[in-house]
Amino acid sequence: EDQVTQSPEALRLQEGESSSLNCSYTVSGLRGLFWYRQDPGKGPEFLFTLYSAGEEKEKERLKATLTKKESFLHITAPKPEDSATYLCAVQAQSGGSNYKLTFGKGTLLTVNP
Amino acid sequence: NAGVTQTPKFRILKIGQSMTLQCTQDMNHNYMYWYRQDPGMGLKLIYYSVGAGITDKGEVPNGYNVSRSTTEDFPLRLELAAPSQTSVYFCATGQGVGTEAFFGQGTRLTVV
Repeated sequence: EDQVTQSPEALRLQEGESSSLNCSYTVSGLRGLFWYRQDPGKGPEFLFTLYSAGEEKEKERLKATLTKKESFLHITAPKPEDSATYLCAVQAQSGGSNYKLTFGKGTLLTVNP
Repeated sequence: NAGVTQTPKFRILKIGQSMTLQCTQDMNHNYMYWYRQDPGMGLKLIYYSVGAGITDKGEVPNGYNVSRSTTEDFPLRLELAAPSQTSVYFCATGQGVGTEAFFGQGTRLTVV
């Protein structure tokens, strides 16, 4: 069974204080790993897709990286508007679960001014 | 483009009542999904569809039904609502395996 574990559950940062969020996964062959941002009362908003170990993607202050067992979302010099819940999801390469995304529980990030 | 539109945004149901959550997409995606999100839990897949006329169960299908008569619409039906179905429901679409899913804004359902 595919599993995704995100840590920490919650993270509080000061504005400008860089940090990383972790997503550990177990999947029967990774087709893709996805990062989403979710604001309160909203649907998840797509950020990145990573397909293979060593791959990196960047967008503004966010950088996602991927190894064979985990992914990191690095946040550089965060601003209060980066406050949100960040979700990680995996999609398997084959078998009965290759149609769906399996999500972690998310990391609630709060950036204080 | 509206993307993925869900209606209603909020609803309160009494135990035993039925309702349909509507989902419409204008992205011309074949894949559509229904997820539920409970506090402190990850999103759980209820049902999915790979195209018009094709639907299948996800992880938590009990108490729900779906239909997919067109590419655009994927309604979720709740029969005999129970308190355990209190949740936030998200509809999503995608182009297929290996691609990201795009989510609607959600329907917050309370069963009392």
